[in-house]
Amino acid sequence: DAKTTQPPSMDCAEGRAANLPCNHSTISGNEYVYWYRQIHSQGPQYIIHGLKNNETNEMASLIITEDRKSSTLILPHATLRDTAVYYCIVRFTNQAGTALIFGKGTTLSVSS
Amino acid sequence: GAVVSQHPSWVICKSGTSVKIECRSLDFQATTMFWYRQFPKQSLMLMATSNEGSKATYEQGVEKDKFLINHASLTLSTLTVTSAHPEDSSFYICSAPSARGPYEQYFGPGTRLTVT
Repeated sequence: DAKTTQPPSMDCAEGRAANLPCNHSTISGNEYVYWYRQIHSQGPQYIIHGLKNNETNEMASLIITEDRKSSTLILPHATLRDTAVYYCIVRFTNQAGTALIFGKGTTLSVSS
Repeated sequence: GAVVSQHPSWVICKSGTSVKIECRSLDFQATTMFWYRQFPKQSLMLMATSNEGSKATYEQGVEKDKFLINHASLTLSTLTVTSAHPEDSSFYICSAPSARGPYEQYFGPGTRLTVT
């Protein structure tokens, strides 16, 4: 799997957009970018994934650079409940039946 | 959406005893499930892959005789921590690949094990 690099922590004011970066400079053409988050003392939760196009769902937007070497997860209006550890994971689709390997992630703290 | 449950959500046991943790896929079948362990302020570490109808596959450094995994049916995998010690105290999480496609995995809520 391509390795990812994320900042260890970020702060965001409630109501503002949270932009979480992820560097995956060694990503290969068939690898997707996935984002999960883990709220304290809970299991991880799927957020979004993408290959090369920008993606948006009810939770977040994913912006992938044209060279695919980095991406940004955007929470458009962060709330206190978005305080969590966010994990960026890169993997092939044919690994669908295999386990996710988690890095250290970014701890996002949303404050009022 | 698909849901994975775990039972119990927390357990306290004495050193030397065994503890069983259940992981169930509630509305889909899972031939494969994964078990993770998470220590405080650390990331999830994959322990093993549970395969229905066959032996589990353990990650390097995980003692298979200590962490017994049984995938009894297409909706149930169990992790038994045998002869538990205080250093086994951790947050144990299971997951299963989504039945809808290759893009998601569903995680259980986790089980907090404290060994005294």
